[in-house]
Amino acid sequence: SQQGEEDPQALSIQEGENATMNCSYKTSINNLQWYRQNSGRGLVHLILIRSNEREKHSGRLRVTLDTSKKSSSLLITASRAADTASYFCATDQGGTYKYIFGTGTRLKVLA
Amino acid sequence: DAGVTQSPTHLIKTRGQQVTLRCSPKSGHDTVSWYQQALGQGPQFIFQYYEEEERQRGNFPDRFSGHQFPNYSSELNVNALLLGDSALYLCASSSKWTSGKETQYFGPGTRLLVL
Repeated sequence: SQQGEEDPQALSIQEGENATMNCSYKTSINNLQWYRQNSGRGLVHLILIRSNEREKHSGRLRVTLDTSKKSSSLLITASRAADTASYFCATDQGGTYKYIFGTGTRLKVLA
Repeated sequence: DAGVTQSPTHLIKTRGQQVTLRCSPKSGHDTVSWYQQALGQGPQFIFQYYEEEERQRGNFPDRFSGHQFPNYSSELNVNALLLGDSALYLCASSSKWTSGKETQYFGPGTRLLVL
């Protein structure tokens, strides 16, 4: 079963614009991670945010976490064609060793 | 420093056959997790190995089994293959796993097609 649900399922923007994608989850977590996947290959880790953090930055990425709403958002600023990929959020299940992935957002950045 | 490696990259099998997929973790990592990713879906957790033991299992049947070797590399075995087992199989490694506080690094995956 999928714990996380990303929204929107697909997003198409022009190069230079910002892209925002959201993730909702169902149970309490210790941390939430965002991954990027190009062309159905391996996942690349982007950023981890812990449950006691509200916002985190990494380069052009900004992640927020609202544990009261069980949701997170990933903002990519000044997008580039190379950002075209699928983006997934993954949450741990407290007390277990597994991560649950969402269904992903397919981002297309047009040059 | 080599990242996570998986072999083979692609595999074609027929229904009822058995398959073995292999994973070498990133240097310094001792924990290996396996995921199945169907087309258009997010990865689904199969199981995790640590100290050569299966430590956690997802909602997969016993046809899915694994092994971890003393050098921390791992195998995923699937018996009696079904058409629905066609997917991308991803291996992820991490170190000093502490209740989900460590980042997982993923390999490129093995794409399995069952005919």
